[in-house]
Amino acid sequence: AQSVTQLDSHVSVSEGTPVLLRCNYSSSYSPSLFWYVQHPNKGLQLLLKYTSAATLVKGINGFEAEFKKSETSFHLTKPSAHMSDAAEYFCVVRHASGGSYIPTFGRGTSLIVHP
Amino acid sequence: SAVISQKPSRDICQRGTSLTIQCQVDSQVTMMFWYRQQPGQSLTLIATANQGSEATYESGFVIDKFPISRPNLTFSTLTVSNMSPEDSSIYLCTTLGGLAADNEQFFGPGTRLTVL
Repeated sequence: AQSVTQLDSHVSVSEGTPVLLRCNYSSSYSPSLFWYVQHPNKGLQLLLKYTSAATLVKGINGFEAEFKKSETSFHLTKPSAHMSDAAEYFCVVRHASGGSYIPTFGRGTSLIVHP
Repeated sequence: SAVISQKPSRDICQRGTSLTIQCQVDSQVTMMFWYRQQPGQSLTLIATANQGSEATYESGFVIDKFPISRPNLTFSTLTVSNMSPEDSSIYLCTTLGGLAADNEQFFGPGTRLTVL
């Protein structure tokens, strides 16, 4: 079975400082991993995805994530937080079932950005 | 890409009643997924709906409570039966852009349900 664990329910940073949102996964094979962002009262937006190509994945809005198989991690980072980054972030793993892939969502991490 | 619409966008219902949520996709898709997002929570998969077969329910969800129809490749419904306040949630219909592991996932706008 596949699962994804987001280690922090809340992360609080100051504007201009680095962001680290942690995600660990368990998978019996090479997984596909995704990060989504959800702003208040908005739909989900894809930030980036890993699909067995480059281990360092760059996404939108300056975010990137590094796939580390040895650590079963896919942490999301950004060098400098902006106020507009305040949102809920979801790490997602897909597992194979019935010829397709089922997305499983982490519990989410709320990013709080202080001025 | 796929554009997904849901009806209704929101509803307020009385305890013990049922609500059927419709999901329409603008292209033919193999798999459709129904998720629930309770206030302040993540998305929890309710079931996977394939056209022409019974829906596959996740642990904790049963067909009697959440019957699903999938009559064709562009449409699905989810019914929330015998509702209680604990069913208050956003219900999302989603699909994948294909069968590959990295295909984009498309999301409906959600149906915000409040049960009194």
